[in-house]
Parts: sequence; C-alpha cells; structure tokens
Amino acid sequence: RKEVEQDPGPFNVPEGATVAFNCTYSNSASQSFFWYRQDCRKEPKLLMSVYSSGNEDGRFTAQLNRASQYISLLIRDSKLSDSATYLCVVHSGYSTLTFGKGTMLLVSP
Amino acid sequence: EAQVTQNPRYLITVTGKKLTVTCSQNMNHEYMSWYRQDPGLGLRQIYYSMNVEVTDKGDVPEGYKVSRKEKRNFPLILESPSPNQTSLYFCASTANPTGAPYEQYFGPGTRLTVT
Repeated sequence: RKEVEQDPGPFNVPEGATVAFNCTYSNSASQSFFWYRQDCRKEPKLLMSVYSSGNEDGRFTAQLNRASQYISLLIRDSKLSDSATYLCVVHSGYSTLTFGKGTMLLVSP
Repeated sequence: EAQVTQNPRYLITVTGKKLTVTCSQNMNHEYMSWYRQDPGLGLRQIYYSMNVEVTDKGDVPEGYKVSRKEKRNFPLILESPSPNQTSLYFCASTANPTGAPYEQYFGPGTRLTVT
C-alpha cells in the first residue's frame, strides 16, 4: 500500500527559528520526491524538488535518504510568511503522485 | 498568464442533483487530474487523464465521472452527489508526468457542500 507519512504538527515556532519536517514513504520503487506548500484554503504549490544529493534553495534545504525511505525539509531563519502547510509528495510511477497529509507550520512574531 | 481555472469556486447543492465542475488549463499540458482534500485525509486523487480521450481511475473514483474531449478541459461530473462528497476539490495539470521536476499546477479549488 502506497503511503507517505509526515509529522502531524502543528509546529509553532518564533520568527528566526530553524524548523525541520520529516517524511517517510513506504514504496521503495518511488522515483521522485517533492515538497509542496499550501496556504490556508489555497491550492498547493511546488516549493522544491528533493534530490539524492540534497539541495538548497535560499533558507530551505531538502534531503533524501533512499535507504531509509526518508525525506526532510529544513527551514532556517523562519519568517512569518513561512506559515503554511507543507506537503511531502512522492512520485511512484507514471501517473501516481502520492501526497502526505501535510504538516502545519505557524511562525509567530 | 499560465493557469488552471475551475468553476464554480463554491457550490452548495442537494443530494442527487447532478453537477459538473469545470477545469481548464492554458498551458497545453497533456496530463490532468482531479483531487479531493478532506481534513485528516490529505489530497486524494479521483481521476486522471494522460491525454485527450484517455482517462483512468485514481484512488477514490466512486461517485465521479470525468471526460477529456479537448486537451485544455477536464470536467468532473457528479451524477448523483451525496453528502460524503462534500469536500474541497482541486484540478491539476502537468506537462510531463515522467519528467523532473514533476510540478503539478493546481487550480484555485472548488468548495462543494452537498446537503
């Protein structure tokens, strides 16, 4: 059974904090991995892809461990505007894109 | 502007009254799909289409129909809506589902309430 599991959250952090989200997936044949961001009552939007070597985009760092079937997202120097739900997404086949249930982040002043 | 549009954005209807939610994309994408999002369950795929006249079931297709007569449009049809279909619905499209990054562009969502 395909599954993507995420930290349940919510994560409440002050501005400037570093926060990490974790995600595990059950299908070892999964091919591609992504983090999407979803603001309240809005559509999900791609935040970043996750590569085996790890990748960074400004304050955001994503890492993948295929052996452990584990994906992470690190946000440094949190901003109020980072408050959102972060969705871990796994591509396991031509048409199969599986979303985690999401982890809510609340950044407070 | 590249976008996916959905209509209506909000709909309140009664059990059994057929409805259609339209979805249109202007990016010439081949692949389109429908999701529903429910609290505690996340996004679940209803149906998807890899091209015109090619559709297939996702994880939760029961009670829904789709059609893909044109590349840009992918309507979601509820022949006889029931209260358990009350949900937030998203249409999405992507140019190449096997490529990377596999970025799906989502529509703004349709909030459906069935009473």
